Amino acid sequence: QSVLTQPPSVSEAPGQRVTISCTGSSSNVGAGYDVHWYQQLPGTAPKLLIYGNNNRPSGVPDRFSGSKSGTSASLAITGLQAEDEADYYCQSYDTSLSGSVFGGGTKLTVL
Amino acid sequence: QVQLHQWGAGLLKPSETLSLTCAVYGGSIGGYYWSWIRQTPGKGLEWIGEINLGKNTNYNASLKSRVTISVDTSKNHFSLRLGSVTAADTAVYYCVLRSPTGYYFAYWGQGTLVTVSS
Repeated sequence: QSVLTQPPSVSEAPGQRVTISCTGSSSNVGAGYDVHWYQQLPGTAPKLLIYGNNNRPSGVPDRFSGSKSGTSASLAITGLQAEDEADYYCQSYDTSLSGSVFGGGTKLTVL
Repeated sequence: QVQLHQWGAGLLKPSETLSLTCAVYGGSIGGYYWSWIRQTPGKGLEWIGEINLGKNTNYNASLKSRVTISVDTSKNHFSLRLGSVTAADTAVYYCVLRSPTGYYFAYWGQGTLVTVSS
């Protein structure tokens, strides 16, 4: 029962494009707070993938992009590669909870 | 390059106190917020709390009564204490640096699995 809602899983073939949604509410995403995305490879700590809705840290390929509209955000991955198979989490700030909140995570399978 | 290394006891009995420490190396980290996040299979990622170098703290309301986060600026260390643990506190705990310019977590420690079991 995460504050931000993500689909549990998505899958797509190599080379294709996939999007992962993140739905919040008027106390977080809808209140104007930025959405950030993390990639967690098996057995490792999450890694910052997208910050401030659509900004990539140095070293993150431009195949990864983010967007936000209203109470929702999306992560898009183009040119899927086997190495992209991971769990992806969205995160924002919630003014009602006065702290950071996460989505439940989406497992990406590259077929 | 900023790196975080964390350590602490991995097995606790119910009612004991969880204690973890994180050392931060490299880079200019003065403006960051020093945070703790935990991850469980059931609840996913959960923000525990944070402290800045001014020693101002913010805690997750659901854990606030049991949590203390402290910082030792002379050693570039910060610590987490969580009292009266139960099996529900079994999780992988991460120390993390939150950006001073946005509410996102830029650098993560390697994680410590803490198991609470009698």
